[in-house]
Amino acid sequence: NAGVTQTPKFRVLKTGQSMTLLCAQDMNHEYMYWYRQDPGMGLRLIHYSVGEGTTAKGEVPDGYNVSRLKKKKQNFLLGLESAAPSQTSVYFCASSYNRVYEQYFGPGTRLTVT
Amino acid sequence: KQEVTQIPAALSVPEGENLVLNCSFTDSAIYNLQWFRQDPGKGLTSLLLIQSSQREQTSGRLNASLDKSSGRSTLYIAASQPGDSATYLCAVIAYDMRFGAGTRLTVKP
Repeated sequence: NAGVTQTPKFRVLKTGQSMTLLCAQDMNHEYMYWYRQDPGMGLRLIHYSVGEGTTAKGEVPDGYNVSRLKKKKQNFLLGLESAAPSQTSVYFCASSYNRVYEQYFGPGTRLTVT
Repeated sequence: KQEVTQIPAALSVPEGENLVLNCSFTDSAIYNLQWFRQDPGKGLTSLLLIQSSQREQTSGRLNASLDKSSGRSTLYIAASQPGDSATYLCAVIAYDMRFGAGTRLTVKP
């Protein structure tokens, strides 16, 4: 099992550009999550999914969109439509069998917006 | 709004010492609490998960306790080793998931 994988590992964007981060898991987990980690602030939940085609907002959802397609429910995409320097961060994806089970994390994507 | 605090922010101990990391939370209506380890530039590795109905969990040299009524959890590390050096994060799962900012642990040889 690969567990949770994230693509890409690093990315540099200019302000206003768009991009999509890909998260994939091979554990058949229903729940998938996107977090951002900033120095001194811990991890904060951006959006999460409770199953194919179902997403919900987390603590810091503004400026991000997500999708979890029915045909590829093992994938969870995080989109930035118009990147801003405030979105410079490390982004982590995680998955879990359900809400009360432990979460498994991917290796992270380091995004810099200039 | 759930707030999670970890004290201390950083801790340095000599090898072999037993130590305790603290995690406190403001809302006791939780599903579970999870402790993670994060090495520099890496993702999070799950250490222990405590369900809300449990009081503690053990794995090797690690023991985590949970006291919901007081809003506290502790992670006890026995006989610390230099390889234990990392940042330790606690996360509280209720209707959402909230992380503490972490404790950066350094174990000196």
